[in-house]
Amino acid sequence: DAGVIQSPRHEVTEMGQEVTLRCKPISGHNSLFWYRQTMMRGLELLIYFNNNVPIDDSGMPEDRFSAKMPNASFSTLKIQPSEPRDSAVYFCASSWTGQGYTFGSGTRLTVV
Amino acid sequence: QKEVEQNSGPLSVPEGAIASLNCTYSDRGSQSFFWYRQYSGKSPELIMFIYSNGDKEDGRFTAQLNKASQYVSLLIRDSQPSDSATYLCAVEPPLGNQFYFGTGTSLTVIP
Repeated sequence: DAGVIQSPRHEVTEMGQEVTLRCKPISGHNSLFWYRQTMMRGLELLIYFNNNVPIDDSGMPEDRFSAKMPNASFSTLKIQPSEPRDSAVYFCASSWTGQGYTFGSGTRLTVV
Repeated sequence: QKEVEQNSGPLSVPEGAIASLNCTYSDRGSQSFFWYRQYSGKSPELIMFIYSNGDKEDGRFTAQLNKASQYVSLLIRDSQPSDSATYLCAVEPPLGNQFYFGTGTSLTVIP
């Protein structure tokens, strides 16, 4: 199994631009999570999906953030417009109910 | 009160010693507990999970759970420099799929 696959690994963009992060979960996992990690705030859950349905998006910081999961093998996290304070590492993770999460390698986002 | 609390450290131990990492949680009904290791610049990696009171051993790692005290710990025996990382405690509440993560404890094993 290739694990959770995220792309891109690094993204540098200018303030105001749209950013799209992508995630392919492990086949057979029914839950998918988007996290953001910074030194100051640690790991923050942004949103999670169960069977492709968004369950809890209370961690999404504001309307500039949106996430979709059109099918069991793909999810996107979009930031529009991006701001410098969005700079962080964004992790996608997937799991089967009751099991531990498997994290992707993350996307390091820098907004200048 | 945070759902999961860890001492942020840093914790330094000499090579060969036992490293003890601690975590407390607030939801008494929590059932599943996980320890993740995160090397600098890498993603968190699951290393241990425990569901029942008592100890669970896997190689040099032992997870300990005390539900009455709402306390879970990770012991690393014969610590190696390669164990130097941040260790995250995660707790699954009784309802819902999401985990609550602690802020992590930074461990340095000194050769």
